[in-house]
Parts: sequence; structure tokens; C-alpha cells
Amino acid sequence: DIQMTQSPPSLSASVGDRVTITCRASQNIKNYLNWYQQKPGKAPKLLISASSSLQSGVPSRFSGSGSGTDFSLTVSSLQREDFATYYCQQSYNSPYTFGQGTKLGIK
Amino acid sequence: QVQLQQWGAGLLKPSETLSLTCAVYGGSFSDYYWTWIRQSPGKGLEWIGEITHRGSTNYNPSLKSRVSISVDTSKNQLSLKLSSVTAADTAVYYCARGVPRITLMVVVMVPSSTPDSFDNWGQGTLVTVSS
Repeated sequence: DIQMTQSPPSLSASVGDRVTITCRASQNIKNYLNWYQQKPGKAPKLLISASSSLQSGVPSRFSGSGSGTDFSLTVSSLQREDFATYYCQQSYNSPYTFGQGTKLGIK
Repeated sequence: QVQLQQWGAGLLKPSETLSLTCAVYGGSFSDYYWTWIRQSPGKGLEWIGEITHRGSTNYNPSLKSRVSISVDTSKNQLSLKLSSVTAADTAVYYCARGVPRITLMVVVMVPSSTPDSFDNWGQGTLVTVSS
């Protein structure tokens, strides 16, 4: 199975900050990398697919980049509603695997 | 607007069979990979398996011996059965829609034969296994 490792596990930031979360795959997954946002008690929400394609309706302050084994999710100017847990997920090979999550909290 | 609504028993005893159903409202049922994913504090998000409208399945090898996913295209529903449950199967279970990646091949748009991302999710069902 492909292992997905996110860092940091948790992060504290303020409204207006720029934050970056990274995700590393245990092997080359080209650009088969997705990012999800999850709020307490809710299902994950797809933010970005294929490493950098923003889903319809997702604010442009979210962006993704990377290919191969190293990827990142950046929020350019944090808003209050962005405080949540973020997961990366690879779709290169079955079984599709997720990172352990990065919890983004308010400083 | 696609909606996935799921239901099933939330409390099981060890060795029983978990059974969940997910109904899909809106959108096409035939163009996607209908998927089950679970989330537990210990193992995080774990992909369980998927099924197409034709009934073609793909399971996580770690669960393959105990899992069965089926589809009822007349009702736009998918179902999950997981046998011989233990406390380790305690989790929130989600159904989700797997979207293929569309690639332009010369002049034709070709969908991938696997899901590329999961763009719509059910509300989740907490399943607890306890004696």
C-alpha cells in the first residue's frame, strides 16, 4: 500500500495567516493526489483533485501543488471557516489511502 | 444536486454482520464508482471498496475476506456488508461517489477505469461493536 504522510499533525494560526500543509507519498504517484477538508461531525469535503484542480465552489484562497512524492496545500489568507482538519489522499493505486490528517486550529 | 443518504444498524455485537445501505439522489448512477470509506480514531480514513453500476467490485485487501458491496440500480442504492465484526471495526462509515479522471485522448474524452477522487459523501453512520 502507498503510505501518505502529512505534516504537521496540527497547526495553530490566526485569521489572515498564510498556511501550508505538506503531504508525502511513499512512492511516485504522479499527480494523483486529492485534498479534503473535514469539520467536526461532518463528512470530508473535496477541495482539490489532481494535485492542483480546485473544485467548483471552493474559494480561490485554497491552492494545491506538487507531483511525484511531495505535495502541498496552501491557504493564502485564513478565514474563520477554514479551521478544520485537512487530509490528503492518493488515487494512483488501489487501495486508495489517506494521510493521517492535519488539524488547523485557531491561535 | 447529488445527495447520498445512508442508514443501517449502529450497534453490533462481536461476530455479527455489519449492514449499511446508501441511496443516491440526483445525477447519473452509471458514470461513477460507488464507494464505502470508514473513519476511526485509531486508523483514520480507510477506503473499504467500490462498485460500479454494472456490479464490478474492488475491495481493500485488508478487508476483502469479510466485505461485500452490492448495488441495486433500480433504486440507485449501494449496500455494504462486513462479516465477523470486532471492536476494531468500530468507526463512522461513509458512502461516497468516486469520480473518474477524464483524459483527452486525441479527440475523445476517456474516463479512467478507477475513481480519481470522492466528490460527494453520505452523512456518515457510526457503527459501534461491543459485547
